[in-house]
Amino acid sequence: DAGVIQSPRHEVTEMGQEVTLRCKPISGHNSLFWYRQTMMRGLELLIYFNNNVPIDDSGMPEDRFSAKMPNASFSTLKIQPSEPRDSAVYFCASSSPGGNQPQHFGDGTRLSIL
Amino acid sequence: TQLLEQSPQFLSIQEGENLTVYCNSSSVFSSLQWYRQEPGEGPVLLVTVVTGGEVKKLKRLTFQFGDARKDSSLHITAAQPGDTGLYLCAGVLSYDKVIFGPGTSLSVIP
Repeated sequence: DAGVIQSPRHEVTEMGQEVTLRCKPISGHNSLFWYRQTMMRGLELLIYFNNNVPIDDSGMPEDRFSAKMPNASFSTLKIQPSEPRDSAVYFCASSSPGGNQPQHFGDGTRLSIL
Repeated sequence: TQLLEQSPQFLSIQEGENLTVYCNSSSVFSSLQWYRQEPGEGPVLLVTVVTGGEVKKLKRLTFQFGDARKDSSLHITAAQPGDTGLYLCAGVLSYDKVIFGPGTSLSVIP
């Protein structure tokens, strides 16, 4: 069975450029989460969707960050314009309906902003 | 702000030793999950504990949920190099809202 698929795996770009991260959740999962992981701050929840609707975006650091989920099988996280402090590993995770469900993580996108 | 604390932050031990990792919060959770993350990969669920006082065993790993459902521990018996990784606890506050601890980085030396 395919797990959560993220692309690209690595992205290196110059500050000021637009960055788009992509995620395909596990089929049948109705919740999708975007996280950012750094050594200093650990794993931070940025935003999560339930049935394609954003439920909690309080973790989105600034207006430069935006996320969309146009359908149940695809989500994007966009940073525009990017800054060096945005460098981190970004994870997408999905979970199935019901409480206390585990989150299934992708392998992440390692983003470096020069 | 709900916070989850984990201790120790780093742990380096010899193969065959025992260890315990702690996860603490002032918040009450409906359940608590433990994940392990290896380099270059996303976290993978190890176990979910739901009931206060619950103990779950997964081979050499023993997980316990505190009676008040605010804290948890992970005990590993006879650690092996394959146990090396980042151990994350995650408290489930409501239907989907989960907060992760900062993690304990474990290194088991052969």
